[in-house]
Amino acid sequence: GDSVTQMEGPVTLSEEAFLTINCTYTATGYPSLFWYVQYPGEGLQLLLKATKADDKGSNKGFEATYRKETTSFHLEKGSVQVSDSAVYFCALSDQGFGNEKLTFGTGTRLTIIP
Amino acid sequence: NAGVTQTPKFRILKIGQSMTLQCAQDMNHNYMYWYRQDPGMGLKLIYYSVGAGITDKGEVPNGYNVSRSTTEDFPLRLELAAPSQTSVYFCASTVAQGDNSPLHFGNGTRLTVT
Repeated sequence: GDSVTQMEGPVTLSEEAFLTINCTYTATGYPSLFWYVQYPGEGLQLLLKATKADDKGSNKGFEATYRKETTSFHLEKGSVQVSDSAVYFCALSDQGFGNEKLTFGTGTRLTIIP
Repeated sequence: NAGVTQTPKFRILKIGQSMTLQCAQDMNHNYMYWYRQDPGMGLKLIYYSVGAGITDKGEVPNGYNVSRSTTEDFPLRLELAAPSQTSVYFCASTVAQGDNSPLHFGNGTRLTVT
């Protein structure tokens, strides 16, 4: 079945550091890929997405590129801020199956120190 | 705009007790979902609904029941609480099926069964 593997957390960085959170996936078809973010005390919200190979999703300074050859969708940001402290979830959905087929990774907790 | 509202935020149950987790959305979304998030694990889909009067099982439905009598409300019922149901529960909704409709999440209900 489908699966998503994220790098183990927690991750602690200093403000303005470069961020990478690794995400790899296993899927039978051609999935769409997502990053969701959960800020403290809130529900998850969509951060960015990519629906086909070589697509780059971007939002709020975060980027992730859909790499079919390495089955990866790593999240990056060039200069993190304290306000980026949150839990980040990588997820996939089988193409055409809609949201009920979303598969989530375990989440990576990110803490940014001033 | 309230979005997705979940109540209660926290609850402690004794084994064998029952309770209903409430979820309401004011965005006129047809699709609604219940997920559970266990420590160190990704979100698992419990039940979902594609419209009023229609519900379907997700990945981990055992021990739960749902109903969808209105578009706005999607309560989750635990009839005989068990320690294995200790988790954080998230309700989500979206306007339509497919990858271009992001999920909107509530803030979660943290349930402990002792």
